[in-house]
Amino acid sequence: DIQMTQSPASLSASLGETVTIECLASEDIYDILAWYQQKPGKSPQLLIYDASSLHTGVPSRFSGSGSGTQYSLKINSLQPEDFASYYCQNGLSAPLTFGSGTKLEIK
Amino acid sequence: EVQLVESGGGLVQPGRSLKLSCAASGFTFSDYNMAWVRQAPKKGLEWVATIIYDGSRTYYRDSVKGRFTISRDNAKSTLYLQMDSLRSEDTATYYCATVTKGYYFDYWGQGVMVTVSS
Repeated sequence: DIQMTQSPASLSASLGETVTIECLASEDIYDILAWYQQKPGKSPQLLIYDASSLHTGVPSRFSGSGSGTQYSLKINSLQPEDFASYYCQNGLSAPLTFGSGTKLEIK
Repeated sequence: EVQLVESGGGLVQPGRSLKLSCAASGFTFSDYNMAWVRQAPKKGLEWVATIIYDGSRTYYRDSVKGRFTISRDNAKSTLYLQMDSLRSEDTATYYCATVTKGYYFDYWGQGVMVTVSS
């Protein structure tokens, strides 16, 4: 199985700041990677697919990058609604695996 | 608007069975691969199973193979998850989701809680 190591596990930031979340795959996943946002008590929502493609309706302050085994999610100019948990997901092969999550909190 | 509404969850004893349903609307259900993803309390996300748009193929994570069965009724726009021989470690919120490009989950239901306990 492909392991997805996500960091940091938690992150405190202020409104307007820019933050980056990292995801390391245990092998090359050829950009077949997605990012999700999950707010407390809600279902996850797709943000990014194919490592850098923005899902419909997602604000442009979200961006994804990376290649090979290393990927990142960047959020520019943090808004109040961005404080949530974030997960990366491998799509190269079954079982489809998720990172352990990053909880983004307001400083 | 895409809508996925899960039902059928609840409290069940270890070793017993439960069947989840997911009613879909707002899109052409028979065009989409579908999946179940679960989340144990205060834990991360875990893919459970996927079914191809026409029901011809299914895929499972190892820990549920032989115990869970994913199926669909395209005439009713409904996805199912039959869960047999339930274990305490199956306790989770179960989400149904659409699958695009074989791997990413673009639309999710609100989730249904399954608790396996004596």
